Amino acid sequence: DAGITQSPRHKVTETGTPVTLRCHQTENHRYMYWYRQDPGHGLRLIHYSYGVKDTDKGEVSDGYSVSRSKTEDFLLTLESATSSQTSVYFCAISGSGTSYEQYFGPGTRLTVT
Amino acid sequence: QKEVEQNSGPLSVPEGAIASLNCTYSDRGSQSFFWYRQYSGKSPELIMSIYSNGDKEDGRFTAQLNKASQYVSLLIRDSQPSDSATYLCAVNHNGQGSSNTGKLIFGQGTTLQVKP
Repeated sequence: DAGITQSPRHKVTETGTPVTLRCHQTENHRYMYWYRQDPGHGLRLIHYSYGVKDTDKGEVSDGYSVSRSKTEDFLLTLESATSSQTSVYFCAISGSGTSYEQYFGPGTRLTVT
Repeated sequence: QKEVEQNSGPLSVPEGAIASLNCTYSDRGSQSFFWYRQYSGKSPELIMSIYSNGDKEDGRFTAQLNKASQYVSLLIRDSQPSDSATYLCAVNHNGQGSSNTGKLIFGQGTTLQVKP
């Protein structure tokens, strides 16, 4: 998985609770991304980062926030989880340059009950 | 809205045949194109990238790009049961330059079934 880990790998939480997912990379890549994958919707970008403390919204950012205080870590927070946020979450990384190849972490399966 | 379209399938081919997977995109300014393979319950794995018109071959895989027709395809020769997976097409639509943040737009994927 190109030196990318995600934690936790599985989580069950209750509606209204805060949840933080962590993505950690050992590749020193500049760009990091959070996606969610749902049946019928494919992979959708939630937030991305183009450097330490530099983040921006993707297409489905409502209800999510992110932080990146170090190159290697990108955190995704659900401030108050809802059942609609039950999904599989993938982190991806991409290096600088023009290739824009993205490499994915193993994913986190989140269930909100 | 920038879109990437794929036939969801399933595409079923016999073992040893050529599997042809297709993808169209709407943003004519797209510069980079990728194919990912995703096994059930696993994360997407990059298998091919292509940046210029024409064919690019890597082992049993050939990616084809036609920017004029806004069309990308993936051919898998001598298909094996282990190729059974969902194949995702992805397109970088930011264009060139320092403002490009590498964001990809993904199609919903085509499920390939290779039958022994």
